[in-house]
Amino acid sequence: DIQMTQSPSSLSASVGDRVTITCRASQSIGSSLNWYQQKPGKAPNLLIYGISRLQSGVPSRVSGSGSGTDFTLTISSLQPEDFATYYCQQTFSTPFTFGPGTKVDIK
Amino acid sequence: QVQLQESGPGLVKPSETLSLTCTVSGGSISDYYWSWIRQPPGKGLEWIGYIYYSGTTNYNPSLKSRVTISVDTSKNQFSLKLTSVTAADTAVYYCGRQDDILMFLDYWGQGTLVTVSS
Repeated sequence: DIQMTQSPSSLSASVGDRVTITCRASQSIGSSLNWYQQKPGKAPNLLIYGISRLQSGVPSRVSGSGSGTDFTLTISSLQPEDFATYYCQQTFSTPFTFGPGTKVDIK
Repeated sequence: QVQLQESGPGLVKPSETLSLTCTVSGGSISDYYWSWIRQPPGKGLEWIGYIYYSGTTNYNPSLKSRVTISVDTSKNQFSLKLTSVTAADTAVYYCGRQDDILMFLDYWGQGTLVTVSS
C-alpha cells in the first residue's frame, strides 16, 4: 500500500493568513493526488484533483502543487469558512489511501 | 446535480453483517465508479472499495475477505455488505462517485453512522 503522511497534523491561523499543508507519498504517484476539505459532521468535499486542478466552485485562493512524492495545498488568504480538516488522497494505485488529515483552527 | 444517499441500519450486533445501500439521483449510475469510504469517530478516512457500473469490483485488502459491493443499475443503487463485524467497524460510512480516469471522489453522500454493539 502507498502510505500518505501530512504535516502539520494541526495548525492555528488567523483570517487573512497564508496557510500551507504538505502531503508526502511513500512512492511516486504521478499526478494522482487529490485534496479534500471536511467540516465537522459533514462529508468531505473535493477541493483539488490531479495535484493542481481546482474543482468547480472552489475559490481561487486555494491551490495545489507538487510532483512525485511531495505535494502542497495552499490557501492564500484564509477565510472563516476555511477552518476545517484537510485530507490528501492518492488514487495512483489501489487501495486508495488518505493522509491522516490536517486540522486548521482559529488562532 | 448528482446526489447520493446512504441508507441502512444504524446499529449492528457483533459478528453480524452490516448492509448499506447508496441511492444515486440526478444522474445515471452508468459510466462511473462508485465507492464506499468509512471514518471511525474522531479518526481519518479509509477507502473500502469500488464497483464499476458493469460490476467490476476492487476492494481494500484490509477488508477484502469480509466485503462485497454490488450494483443494481435498474434502481440506480449500489450496496455494501461487511460480514463478521466488530466494534472496530463502528464508523460513519460514506458512499461516493469516483471519476473514471483520475479516480477522485467528486460526489459524496452525507454519511451514515453505523454502530456495532450488542
